[in-house]
Amino acid sequence: SQTIHQWPATLVQPVGSPLSLECTVEGTSNPNLYWYRQAAGRGLQLLFYSVGIGQISSEVPQNLSASRPQDRQFILSSKKLLLSDSGFYLCAWADSNQPQHFGDGTRLSIL
Amino acid sequence: RKEVEQDPGPFNVPEGATVAFNCTYSNSASQSFFWYRQDCRKEPKLLMSVYSSGNEDGRFTAQLNRASQYISLLIRDSKLSDSATYLCVVTHNQGGKLIFGQGTELSVKP
Repeated sequence: SQTIHQWPATLVQPVGSPLSLECTVEGTSNPNLYWYRQAAGRGLQLLFYSVGIGQISSEVPQNLSASRPQDRQFILSSKKLLLSDSGFYLCAWADSNQPQHFGDGTRLSIL
Repeated sequence: RKEVEQDPGPFNVPEGATVAFNCTYSNSASQSFFWYRQDCRKEPKLLMSVYSSGNEDGRFTAQLNRASQYISLLIRDSKLSDSATYLCVVTHNQGGKLIFGQGTELSVKP
């Protein structure tokens, strides 16, 4: 069966520090991969999605970036975090137009 | 206008009540439809897919009206454990991108 792993579960970072969140999927090949952010009390905002290795689509302008160095690995990064980057970050995978399955999420607090 | 819009909520209902969630979508090219459930401070989880003919899973019934671009979720005999935020989700054939509604919060009281 397929599983998705996302880490860390929580992270506290100072403003201006770098960020790297990692997500890996097991039990499937060539999945679509997604990064979402959910601010407190708000809906899900799609940040990036990828349909293959090295292919990244950005949904909103921001100081975050994403990379897919391997088929089942998706990384969310930032060189310098802003206060507004605080939120709940969720990685998800899906096969084509099938439902997405989410990781447990990373709760990021910027101080 | 948002691509997927849901009832603003929150819905506060007693145990045993029947609850209906409504959702509309603006893109007529939308292909697939889902309802997700999100518990507080947790990740969204797939509740059920929505098919054109309507579908039922226990106490949950989902319906789709393509002509009106409307999706619904009905929960019968609601339980305390049904308390969560319910997310309407739509996808069209653009890299499998899912569009989430803002969610409707449900609180079931004893």
